[in-house]
Amino acid sequence: DGGITQSPKYLFRKEGQNVTLSCEQNLNHDAMYWYRQDPGQGLRLIYYSQIVNDFQKGDIAEGYSVSREKKESFPLTVTSAQKNPTAFYLCASSISGTGQETQYFGPGTRLLVL
Amino acid sequence: QKEVEQNSGPLSVPEGAIASLNCTYSDRVSQSFFWYRQYSGKSPELIMSIYSNGDKEDGRFTAQLNKASQYVSLLIRDSQPSDSATYLCAVNAFNKFYFGSGTKLNVKP
Repeated sequence: DGGITQSPKYLFRKEGQNVTLSCEQNLNHDAMYWYRQDPGQGLRLIYYSQIVNDFQKGDIAEGYSVSREKKESFPLTVTSAQKNPTAFYLCASSISGTGQETQYFGPGTRLLVL
Repeated sequence: QKEVEQNSGPLSVPEGAIASLNCTYSDRVSQSFFWYRQYSGKSPELIMSIYSNGDKEDGRFTAQLNKASQYVSLLIRDSQPSDSATYLCAVNAFNKFYFGSGTKLNVKP
């Protein structure tokens, strides 16, 4: 059963704590992305990766970090430097290099601050 | 910075009517175009993709693309209450995706 999984579904962060959101895909997609969505707003790109061991900052990378050690995995760490982390976090993936890349989304992780 | 603009709505249509959703984008190098449906509290779900000028139909959905006018639209025929959601327009340029803020559609029974 192919797809993108994200865990946990809900995550609570305490002040000063780093937390890591998991994203795994078995679609054999090259590219993976992290977005943040605030209530009533569109998607903002945090980080993206086109290939293993390489990633680029998106529009709102400050306070976040990522790694891409395996093709199927792209975890996102929300660091204590991110002062307003409460949001819905979406992971996505796509094939690269076809000129008709289509992006598919995981179910999302909702991060709340205690 | 590439801009993708959508009317935030809400757009209200009666059941059985045609819903028309519009999107404009600012960058002429955009290569492919997408419509996603997002129910409240859920992740976006791809409903249509379109790559060349003209119309593309899939069931009750028709996407229309006009690259010269930098305009893409989505028509939903025979609208159902289950179509009530936020519809996100997205464009892809060199494997980066840019999203509009979405149009909320309400289909009234």
